[in-house]
Amino acid sequence: EDKVVQSPLSLVVHEGDTVTLNCSYEVTNFRSLLWYKQEKKAPTFLFMLTSSGIEKKSGRLSSILDKKELFSILNITATQTGDSAVYLCAHGGTSYGKLTFGQGTILTVHP
Amino acid sequence: SQTIHQWPATLVQPVGSPLSLECTVEGTSNPNLYWYRQAAGRGLQLLFYSVGIGQISSEVPQNLSASRPQDRQFILSSKKLLLSDSGFYLCAWSVHPNYEQYFGPGTRLTVT
Repeated sequence: EDKVVQSPLSLVVHEGDTVTLNCSYEVTNFRSLLWYKQEKKAPTFLFMLTSSGIEKKSGRLSSILDKKELFSILNITATQTGDSAVYLCAHGGTSYGKLTFGQGTILTVHP
Repeated sequence: SQTIHQWPATLVQPVGSPLSLECTVEGTSNPNLYWYRQAAGRGLQLLFYSVGIGQISSEVPQNLSASRPQDRQFILSSKKLLLSDSGFYLCAWSVHPNYEQYFGPGTRLTVT
């Protein structure tokens, strides 16, 4: 059974700090690794990674995948209070697009 | 642009009552559709997926069923709710199974 584990489970930082969120996976047939941000309701899509070593960036957020060591990281620089959310990592590995989610990391950014 | 809708936003139902949650997608044709449940923890669990009208596959055995009567409509149902059915239900769509999924606003269901 595919497994996705995120760490830490929760993190408290102050505005301006840089954070790194971790996602490791054990899967049968790797296809892609996805990151989502969930505030009050629906998860919003951040990144999808399929190749090792290629960083994806969007503003202050970036993510990279290591297929040899089976993990991905999500970096957020110069954090803001609006970055407070649950960050979800998911593996997409089957022909019908099933996503296997990790338990999420709760990020709290204090002013 | 594509939009996904879910209703109702919140629902409180007694044990043993029926359930119908609806999801519709606008702005795309023949989407892949998914139902997830998020319990008290934070991870999401896939319940059902559909690649076309009338085509439903179930991921886990449970008290729920799904139907896709139209191309962009996905319905989650139950004949008799259990306490354990409480949770946050999310519908998602993708243009292709290998692409990212986009989630609807969700329905928070409380079974009392």
